[in-house]
Amino acid sequence: DAKTTQPTSMDCAEGRAANLPCNHSTISGNEYVYWYRQIHSQGPQYIIHGLKNNETNEMASLIITEDRKSSTLILPHATLRDTAVYYCIVRVAGWGSSNTGKLIFGQGTTLQVKP
Amino acid sequence: DSGVTQTPKHLITATGQRVTLRCSPRSGDLSVYWYQQSLDQGLQFLIQYYNGEERAKGNILERFSAQQFPDLHSELNLSSLELGDSALYFCASSVAPGAGETQYFGPGTRLLVL
Repeated sequence: DAKTTQPTSMDCAEGRAANLPCNHSTISGNEYVYWYRQIHSQGPQYIIHGLKNNETNEMASLIITEDRKSSTLILPHATLRDTAVYYCIVRVAGWGSSNTGKLIFGQGTTLQVKP
Repeated sequence: DSGVTQTPKHLITATGQRVTLRCSPRSGDLSVYWYQQSLDQGLQFLIQYYNGEERAKGNILERFSAQQFPDLHSELNLSSLELGDSALYFCASSVAPGAGETQYFGPGTRLLVL
């Protein structure tokens, strides 16, 4: 699985958009970009994932660059409850016997949403 | 609420003891994953089961073992506990084992070894 690089920490004002970057320059064509977050020792929470196209759901938007070497998670209107550690993870697609689907977590970005 | 349940929420025990952590996956999910989160190691994959069979092993100690039962719930057994085993243990589940399948995590079991 490709390695990801994220800033250690970021601040965001409440009500503003939070833009969390992730670099994955060695990503392969069959690897998805996944985002999870962990709020204060709770179980990691799935946010969104994508392969090539930009994706949006009720929680966030995921923007993937055309060369797929980086992506940005956007929380459109951050609230205090969005304060968490955000993990960007790259995973190989497919069901092959060598593909377990395990998640490899890095250190993530600690997002602090401030009033 | 992810639909994944874990019991107990908290566990305090002594060194040398054995404990069992339990996980019930989301309805319809066949694959179960166990992860450990300690302060110095972050979130680490331990082991995965799919439909009752072990599919992959990560950084799981020989003192630890797991199994998935016919009703698809899973148990993680930790024996000869050491102080360093104190950590959060998370279970996750997905429909299938592939990387295209989203994993959903339970609330975790916090283990404290004294």
